[in-house]
Amino acid sequence: DTAVSQTPKYLVTQMGNDKSIKCEQNLGHDTMYWYKQDSKKFLKIMFSYNNKELIINETVPNRFSPKSPDKAHLNLHINSLELGDSAVYFCASSPKLPASGMNTGELFFGEGSRLTVL
Amino acid sequence: EDKVVQSPLSLVVHEGDTVTLNCSYEVTNFRSLLWYKQEKKAPTFLFMLTSSGIEKKSGRLSSILDKKELFSILNITATQTGDSAVYLCANNDYKLSFGAGTTVTVRA
Repeated sequence: DTAVSQTPKYLVTQMGNDKSIKCEQNLGHDTMYWYKQDSKKFLKIMFSYNNKELIINETVPNRFSPKSPDKAHLNLHINSLELGDSAVYFCASSPKLPASGMNTGELFFGEGSRLTVL
Repeated sequence: EDKVVQSPLSLVVHEGDTVTLNCSYEVTNFRSLLWYKQEKKAPTFLFMLTSSGIEKKSGRLSSILDKKELFSILNITATQTGDSAVYLCANNDYKLSFGAGTTVTVRA
């Protein structure tokens, strides 16, 4: 069983289109993330949700809208795609420390969704 | 601004060599420093460091943290071609901030 799964794995689309990437984790974690990895391999956080609530929203254009219907799912919708959106998008989840409730920092990543905007 | 700086950006070694990777970070609500290995797909977790001076080991890999000087190193001894990857360091304050990574290429 895949712990963190993302679909689709590959996405090729035209500029201006709208697309979605879905993510599901079966690890029972409360916190989920979206990261963007550009062509230089730099991994940058976009969003973080804790139990369906948005807790981190980095300086990401409004065209990106995450949605968490429940704590096991975090989807990413992108409107009006631009060339610069081409990247690999990673979903991840992390467990909490039982005592403090803070995230451990250990991320469990999905396999990534490679988005190419033409 | 770069909160996590890794060096070198890349290096090429031969099998059997020892590799030392560096990571320096800023401290703001520091919780932990993490190392990940990324081959073709997703990063995989290697180590989490929270205390200074305590070495963590896993096989030929080891890592240590210096919270006074704000850096960590990752060592790989007796390198093998399977160690070729991008090694990522991340600072965990309230979120994980990754460095740009060090690309390690191990030649047979």
